[in-house]
Amino acid sequence: KAGVTQTPRYLIKTRGQQVTLSCSPISGHRSVSWYQQTPGQGLQFLFEYFSETQRNKGNFPGRFSGRQFSNSRSEMNVSTLELGDSALYLCASSPGQVEVKNIQYFGAGTRLSVL
Amino acid sequence: KNQVEQSPQSLIILEGKNCTLQCNYTVSPFSNLRWYKQDTGRGPVSLTIMTFSENTKSNGRYTATLDADTKQSSLHITASQLSDSASYICVVSARGSTLGRLYFGRGTQLTVWP
Repeated sequence: KAGVTQTPRYLIKTRGQQVTLSCSPISGHRSVSWYQQTPGQGLQFLFEYFSETQRNKGNFPGRFSGRQFSNSRSEMNVSTLELGDSALYLCASSPGQVEVKNIQYFGAGTRLSVL
Repeated sequence: KNQVEQSPQSLIILEGKNCTLQCNYTVSPFSNLRWYKQDTGRGPVSLTIMTFSENTKSNGRYTATLDADTKQSSLHITASQLSDSASYICVVSARGSTLGRLYFGRGTQLTVWP
């Protein structure tokens, strides 16, 4: 069974640009969550999608958005990039909603560098 | 304020020794607590998940405990191996329909020396 796939693995953008990251969950998983990880802040929860609906959202500005498609694949978009957006963005999938006792499986992440 | 605090921030031990990592939380209402292991350059891997009624959960050489009354959890690693070198992250989930949230500790960086 294939794991969680995130593309691209590495990305370099400049301030003001926008970026779209992609996540393909494990087959059969309906929940996809996104996280930002930086050395200073650690892991921070962005949002969770379940059956194409955003179920939970972290404390990030509206520049961060996402969506989930009918096949459970998810995309995350960051508009008007800032230097502080440089981070490792992780995607995780689980069979059900995260707040319920479901194991999450993480992808390897997309490392975004904003210059 | 919902928070998750982990200690120590970093830890160095010799191969074969045991160690215990701590996690204190103030998240309410509590749903479940998870421990993750994250190797450098990789995504986190789930080690254990515990709900309110579970006191202990083991996964091989990893044993997690939960005291829901004092809001404390620990992760005990037995007979450490070089491959245990990683960041260990405690995550607490709050209960509540669309308001469910995840709260992360900053992690404990464990280094195992030969």
